[in-house]
Amino acid sequence: EAGVAQSPRYKIIEKRQSVAFWCNPISGHATLYWYQQILGQGPKLLIQFQNNGVVDDSQLPKDRFSAERLKGVDSTLKIQPAKLEDSAVYLCASSRAESTDTQYFGPGTRLTVL
Amino acid sequence: KQEVTQIPAALSVPEGENLVLNCSFTDSAIYNLQWFRQDPGKGLTSLLLIQSSQREQTSGRLNASLDKSSGRSTLYIAASQPGDSATYLCAVSPISGGYNKLIFGAGTRLAVHP
Repeated sequence: EAGVAQSPRYKIIEKRQSVAFWCNPISGHATLYWYQQILGQGPKLLIQFQNNGVVDDSQLPKDRFSAERLKGVDSTLKIQPAKLEDSAVYLCASSRAESTDTQYFGPGTRLTVL
Repeated sequence: KQEVTQIPAALSVPEGENLVLNCSFTDSAIYNLQWFRQDPGKGLTSLLLIQSSQREQTSGRLNASLDKSSGRSTLYIAASQPGDSATYLCAVSPISGGYNKLIFGAGTRLAVHP
């Protein structure tokens, strides 16, 4: 079974630029999550999708961050414009259902904002 | 607001030692607690998941316990090996959050030297 795929693995941009990350979850997984992990901290949930609907985006900075999940499969997370404090690893995870099922994580995208 | 704390932040031990990692959480209303492992440049791998009705889970040399009433969990690693070197993260799924949301601690960075 293929794992969660993410791209790119690394991205360096200047502040005020825009950037997008892509995630392909495990086949058949209905729930998809985007986390932000700042160096030295644990991951923080940004947004959670159930199929192609948003079920939790309470910690997503909506003035600059946006995310979508087309057709309930792949997802993209966008930052526009980026700030220095957005430097972090962005992790995508998926699980079979909305319940207390195990989440499987991708390798992450390391973003550096200069 | 649920908060998760992990102690110690970092740990260095010689190979062969038995060790204990600690995790505490402020709100006992949880569905479950998970321990994850994170290697540099990689995503998270779930090690053990303890449902709120359970007291412990075991997998190989790993044993995790849960005392929900006191808001504590421990991860016990027996006969540590250099390959165990990684960051270990504890996460709880709060009932109030719903939808399989995870709240993470900052992690314990473990180094096992030969």
